[in-house]
Amino acid sequence: DSGVTQTPKHLITATGQRVTLRCSPRSGDLSVYWYQQSLDQGLQFLIQYYNGEERAKGNILERFSAQQFPDLHSELNLSSLELGDSALYFCASSAGPNFGEKLFFGSGTQLSVL
Amino acid sequence: AQSVAQPEDQVNVAEGNPLTVKCTYSVSGNPYLFWYVQYPNRGLQFLLKYITGDNLVKGSYGFEAEFNKSQTSFHLKKPSALVSDSALYFCAVRDGTTDKLIFGTGTRLQVFP
Repeated sequence: DSGVTQTPKHLITATGQRVTLRCSPRSGDLSVYWYQQSLDQGLQFLIQYYNGEERAKGNILERFSAQQFPDLHSELNLSSLELGDSALYFCASSAGPNFGEKLFFGSGTQLSVL
Repeated sequence: AQSVAQPEDQVNVAEGNPLTVKCTYSVSGNPYLFWYVQYPNRGLQFLLKYITGDNLVKGSYGFEAEFNKSQTSFHLKKPSALVSDSALYFCAVRDGTTDKLIFGTGTRLQVFP
């Protein structure tokens, strides 16, 4: 068990809808990262938050947004969903702000857009 | 541009035999290199990392990786494979310019009894 909790585990929704994915980092970790894993794109970095502030941005679409709350949990909001957004979304956490550290991954949220 | 390549989609090995999962990288500056493993229906788990020092890095579950600067490679190795090692393995490199972690496409390791 990595200590990173993601909910829900599975999400089925329709095109055009909006969903929210939630992540609780490992106790004491200040950084939260969001990754998207799909068969054709592999593992793609979306965004990182450190202690409530956005620190790094990757290939995140404008339809997607995220935030990290004062209790350090994070939410990834996906709107105007398209079929191509179907993927496994991972959250990871680390103690500090740098990517040189070991990341702890949650078990992911499997999103299916029908 | 910084990148990492895993040239094999799948590696098959018999239990008890040595295994190698290949990774090559391209970065400017000194590389930070990582291996992660993903078991079915699970998130990625950290295996090992290289930042500096000894070229042979030892990690979890008996795995090790050899950093070769001249060949820009960071191959994952294990002397004796177990069926339970069957999983998806990802090599990753820290992009020194953007400070992001770039993952390879993954290599599926299948260990046969």
